[in-house]
Amino acid sequence: QTVVTQEPSFSVSPGGTVTLTCGLSSGSVSTSYYPSWYQHTPGQTPRTLIYNTNTRSSGVPDRFSGSILGSKAALTITGAQADDESTYYCVLYMSSGIWVFGGGTKLTVL
Amino acid sequence: QVQVVESGGGVVQPGRSLRLSCATSGFAFGNYGMHWVRQAPGKGLEWVSLVWHDGGKKYYADSVKGRFTISRDNSNNVVYLQMNSLRDEDTAIYYCAVWFGQYEYFEHWGQGTLVTVSS
Repeated sequence: QTVVTQEPSFSVSPGGTVTLTCGLSSGSVSTSYYPSWYQHTPGQTPRTLIYNTNTRSSGVPDRFSGSILGSKAALTITGAQADDESTYYCVLYMSSGIWVFGGGTKLTVL
Repeated sequence: QVQVVESGGGVVQPGRSLRLSCATSGFAFGNYGMHWVRQAPGKGLEWVSLVWHDGGKKYYADSVKGRFTISRDNSNNVVYLQMNSLRDEDTAIYYCAVWFGQYEYFEHWGQGTLVTVSS
């Protein structure tokens, strides 16, 4: 069974830049997996940030960007703000009607 | 404005059934597939199921296959998740989201409905 891997936690200073990654237990992530990224704070509705590797969803500030870095998908947050503190999930489309979420990265801004 | 509102959650005993609803408005519902995604307590998000725009195809995560059934009513802009043979591990907040199939992603999430499976 394919596992989508993410860093369990990450820390960034206010105003700093952080890159979160999304990999596969076996193989490399490519654009054909249509990587997407979501922000989810407990008690709130998940928010779509990035789709199709690097396209920002409507209303998402350009501080958030997506890319492929080496063998992984990546979400970069520049100029981190206090309200960026949340859990970030990547999702990969495995084809044949299966989507797999990563375990999420809990981002702390301090 | 797009609205997605889940309902039907509650406390149910193991082995029993529950049906969740997801009412939508503000977009051409009949043109979009719809997903269910869940989050168990202390865990991450987990994809559960997808139904195509016309109900013609349905997909399920292995964890729910054979027990859950997704369906939709395009006349009333509602998608359902019929959950049978519920287990403790099905305890979660269940979210509904719109499927943007061109790029295989989720958009317009609901606020979720809590299902607790407990004796």
